Amino acid sequence: AQSVTQLDSHVSVSEGTPVLLRCNYSSSYSPSLFWYVQHPNKGLQLLLKYTSAATLVKGINGFEAEFKKSETSFHLTKPSAHMSDAAEYFCVVRRNSGNTPLVFGKGTRLSVIA
Amino acid sequence: DGGITQSPKYLFRKEGQNVTLSCEQNLNHDAMYWYRQDPGQGLRLIYYSQIVNDFQKGDIAEGYSVSREKKESFPLTVTSAQKNPTAFYLCASSIVSGWGGTEAFFGQGTRLTVV
Repeated sequence: AQSVTQLDSHVSVSEGTPVLLRCNYSSSYSPSLFWYVQHPNKGLQLLLKYTSAATLVKGINGFEAEFKKSETSFHLTKPSAHMSDAAEYFCVVRRNSGNTPLVFGKGTRLSVIA
Repeated sequence: DGGITQSPKYLFRKEGQNVTLSCEQNLNHDAMYWYRQDPGQGLRLIYYSQIVNDFQKGDIAEGYSVSREKKESFPLTVTSAQKNPTAFYLCASSIVSGWGGTEAFFGQGTRLTVV
């Protein structure tokens, strides 16, 4: 079985400061990992994904994440927050073989203060 | 433009009524999914389908039903048996692959409110 734990339900940063959203995963199999972003009352947009290639993954809008197998983590970072980054972020895991559905964390709400 | 269309965007239902949420995709994806979103709960899987005329229950299927008569369409019916149907519902699709690294694409959601 797969699961993800997002360690913070809410993160608040000042504009221009770094962003760190933490995610730990559990998987009985080699996992694929994703980060999605959701703006209020909208669908989800893929930020980036890890699929057993490079452990440092770059995504859209300046976000990146690093897969650390020894720590079972996949934290999302961005060097400098922008007001438009304020949204809900979801860490997602999927078994890396077969076509199993995505399993979502409970989300982290990111607030950006001017 | 290719994508997933959910309708309606907002839906109000009286207690005891069944309602059907529409989901259509033109991405030529074989797999389609329904998720329910509640504040602080993340997304929970209701049903999914990997091929026409076949579907599987997810984690919270009770009180819901689906059909998959066409590749493009995967409607969700919220029945009167669903005790707490007020939520945001998201439909998604993906290709079917033996490799798990394929992402899902999401519609814009339907917000259902029981009045």
